[in-house]
Amino acid sequence: SYVLTQPPSVSVAPGQTARITCGGNNIGSKSVHWYQQKPGQAPVLVVYDDSDRPSGIPERFSGSNSGNTATLTISRVEAGDEADYYCQVWDSSSDHPFFGTGTKVTVL
Amino acid sequence: QITLKESGPTLVKPTQTLTLTCTFSGFSLSTSGVGVGWIRQPPGKALEWLALIYWNDDKRYSPSLKSRLTITKDTSKNQVVLTMTNMDPVDTATYYCAHSLSEWFDPWGQGTLVTVSS
Repeated sequence: SYVLTQPPSVSVAPGQTARITCGGNNIGSKSVHWYQQKPGQAPVLVVYDDSDRPSGIPERFSGSNSGNTATLTISRVEAGDEADYYCQVWDSSSDHPFFGTGTKVTVL
Repeated sequence: QITLKESGPTLVKPTQTLTLTCTFSGFSLSTSGVGVGWIRQPPGKALEWLALIYWNDDKRYSPSLKSRLTITKDTSKNQVVLTMTNMDPVDTATYYCAHSLSEWFDPWGQGTLVTVSS
């Protein structure tokens, strides 16, 4: 089993930068994917393969991954970014995906 | 445009078997590399991956639920079916299906809430 640990919550003022971490053993050797889930809605992919963005996702969303920590960065945070965010990897040893514990982003 | 939609019972009794259907459009499950996965989310909790089926009928299951899960596909109907046996109240969750072309899931269906209660 592969464990992905995220902080339960992150608070950020509008216009500032939010950083959401995802910790896992040698996660830097894996590709990390990030999802945004707004209340009552299905998750939406916002970053894949550590730092790539699907079409339609603002450039304000970026990702990085190194060592034991991956990070989703949201620049110039807007009220509409308030949501739960989940990281996900595919563990080759287990040959299946794992999701992180989730982080609730609150825009102050 | 790829879309997926889950369907099935909203209420099941403990010990019963749950059958969920994912009906999709905008892609074919006979195309090399394509997969459809199931993920669930108990109320107020995190996402949990359940199962995945590929275009070549290769299947993956969550080890913790493998004995209770079966995933199948009907390519002609553009459907994927997930069955989960011996349902328990702890299985109450929103169940999502999602398209997969690589390691990630995109897009997802709207989800369907399944409540397990007598």
